Amino acid sequence: AQSVTQLGSHVSVSEGALVLLRCNYSSSVPPYLFWYVQYPNQGLQLLLKYTTGATLVKGINGFEAEFKKSETSFHLTKPSAHMSDAAEYFCAVNSNTGNQFYFGTGTSLTVIP
Amino acid sequence: KAGVTQTPRYLIKTRGQQVTLSCSPISGHRSVSWYQQTPGQGLQFLFEYFSETQRNKGNFPGRFSGRQFSNSRSEMNVSTLELGDSALYLCASSRTGVVVQTEAFFGQGTRLTVV
Repeated sequence: AQSVTQLGSHVSVSEGALVLLRCNYSSSVPPYLFWYVQYPNQGLQLLLKYTTGATLVKGINGFEAEFKKSETSFHLTKPSAHMSDAAEYFCAVNSNTGNQFYFGTGTSLTVIP
Repeated sequence: KAGVTQTPRYLIKTRGQQVTLSCSPISGHRSVSWYQQTPGQGLQFLFEYFSETQRNKGNFPGRFSGRQFSNSRSEMNVSTLELGDSALYLCASSRTGVVVQTEAFFGQGTRLTVV
């Protein structure tokens, strides 16, 4: 079975500060991991994904994530938070039986001016 | 390139009624998945269709059903609506053919309110 756990349902950072959103996965096979962002009353937008290859993945809007097999983690970071980063962030793992995603419970990011 | 289109965006239904939601995937995408999003349960997978066949199904009662047409457009139907069916229903499309591990592109969702 595959699953992801997001630590911290709410994270607040000051504008310009480091953003760190945590995600740990559980998978019996090599995982395919994703981070999505959701703005109010919108669908999900892909930030970045890890499938194979380089473990440091760069995404849109200055976000990046590092796949660490030894820690079963895929934490999302951004060096400097911007007001427009305020949103809900979801970590997800893709199943090996089709196009089915298992999502974490989400982390709501607040950026304080 | 047009994105995933879901219609309608908002819907209000009465308990006991049925509802049909529509999803038009990105051109060329053959896989369509449906998710239910609620504050309490988060994002939960409903089902996936690929080339008009249901490929995966989540743990939802039989009141939830779907189908996919030859042009890859998909519909989901919920019969005998319950108050707990109030949610944001998201549709996602992917190219997926032989390689299944790829990202999904989501629509803006249909907000269903059951009263």
